[in-house]
Amino acid sequence: GQNIDQPTEMTATEGAIVQINCTYQTSGFNGLFWYQQHAGEAPTFLSYNVLDGLEEKGRFSSFLSRSKGYSYLLLKELQMKDSASYLCAVMDSNYQLIWGAGTKLIIKP
Amino acid sequence: GAVVSQHPSWVICKSGTSVKIECRSLDFQATTMFWYRQFPKQSLMLMATSNEGSKATYEQGVEKDKFLINHASLTLSTLTVTSAHPEDSSFYICSARDSLAGETGELFFGEGSRLTVL
Repeated sequence: GQNIDQPTEMTATEGAIVQINCTYQTSGFNGLFWYQQHAGEAPTFLSYNVLDGLEEKGRFSSFLSRSKGYSYLLLKELQMKDSASYLCAVMDSNYQLIWGAGTKLIIKP
Repeated sequence: GAVVSQHPSWVICKSGTSVKIECRSLDFQATTMFWYRQFPKQSLMLMATSNEGSKATYEQGVEKDKFLINHASLTLSTLTVTSAHPEDSSFYICSARDSLAGETGELFFGEGSRLTVL
């Protein structure tokens, strides 16, 4: 079956760096997405990786290793507003998005 | 970025009534829109794929007669929860992709609709 694994919850300190991991097993691969979702709101797009390597976008970076079925989202200089759930989603060979359960990130002062 | 508008944001209804939720792409055309349901502390669960001008494709376990989807134009899809029951209470979210962006284009999400069935 298809599976996306990411930690349920993580805690970090304001100003620090946190890495949220995502491992996947899917039938085919057409890219991996990271979305941010604040409580009670819809997800917003953060990044898309389809080739191996690191994509940097301001304070957020996303890494992909297709051979390992692994990605991570790196958040630097954490701010209180970064407290949210971070969803990893993989697009399979049928261009269907398979969603992880999300990682709730708690930022402490 | 592109905007998807979802309405209403909140709705409370009595058991047995029907509720319609609208999803509009405001500045792009979307041949396909997606409807999700999300329970607290859980991930998005795809309910159905809405296709403009044709029948929606429902995921396994989703009752198509209960969750009616209409995608009458390239900018509007509607989800109607018929004969709603308390167990249908959930956060419903739609998303759409610009038809010109291809299969791997960015998904834009509506604001979500929180349904509470009394």
